[in-house]
Amino acid sequence: EPEVTQTPSHQVTQMGQEVILRCVPISNHLYFYWYRQILGQKVEFLVSFYNNEISEKSEIFDDQFSVERPDGSNFTLKIRSTKLEDSAMYFCASRYQPEKLFFGSGTQLSVL
Amino acid sequence: DQQVKQNSPSLSVQEGRISILNCDYTNSMFDYFLWYKKYPAEGPTFLISISSIKDKNEDGRFTVFLNKSAKHLSLHIVPSQPGDSAVYFCAAANTGRRALTFGSGTRLQVQP
Repeated sequence: EPEVTQTPSHQVTQMGQEVILRCVPISNHLYFYWYRQILGQKVEFLVSFYNNEISEKSEIFDDQFSVERPDGSNFTLKIRSTKLEDSAMYFCASRYQPEKLFFGSGTQLSVL
Repeated sequence: DQQVKQNSPSLSVQEGRISILNCDYTNSMFDYFLWYKKYPAEGPTFLISISSIKDKNEDGRFTVFLNKSAKHLSLHIVPSQPGDSAVYFCAAANTGRRALTFGSGTRLQVQP
């Protein structure tokens, strides 16, 4: 069964550094998402992406965050200057049909 | 923001019995509801969904019930199996805003 793949599985960075989280969505999917889950909290929506542009973003997705689909297969989330509170599990997701999202296994980001 | 609430953080049932997981929502604009299952160190996995035009959807051992007047949905798993032990997230969406809003999750433990 096709799946969403995310790399790396773990990322440790120093506060203030830039990180790029990578995702390869399922190949025929058209909509792409980033969610995150801070330890012990609920899964939170960050941003959705369709037709090479952001279609929706949450309050969390401020100017420090950006997304890109640099080629036909990758979808990246960049955090320009990481903060301690950015530490979380970041999930990429994609879909073809409405609402049914397929999630990757996540990147655990630790900001020290 | 508590638009989707799962008031039971945990549930323990015996193998073979029924598991009932509950979810309440406050936003009357939601018209599509989903249940996801999540194992540790993995992303959420889609389980079953229901649109607001229905009040029941069944898939094998899993049935989701929707009570729109009460803004309540539930997931029934019968018979429960030890492999069902995971965190279950309720999620909701509306046609205009495709991003999912998640509940905080219920940890289900099925005892052999």
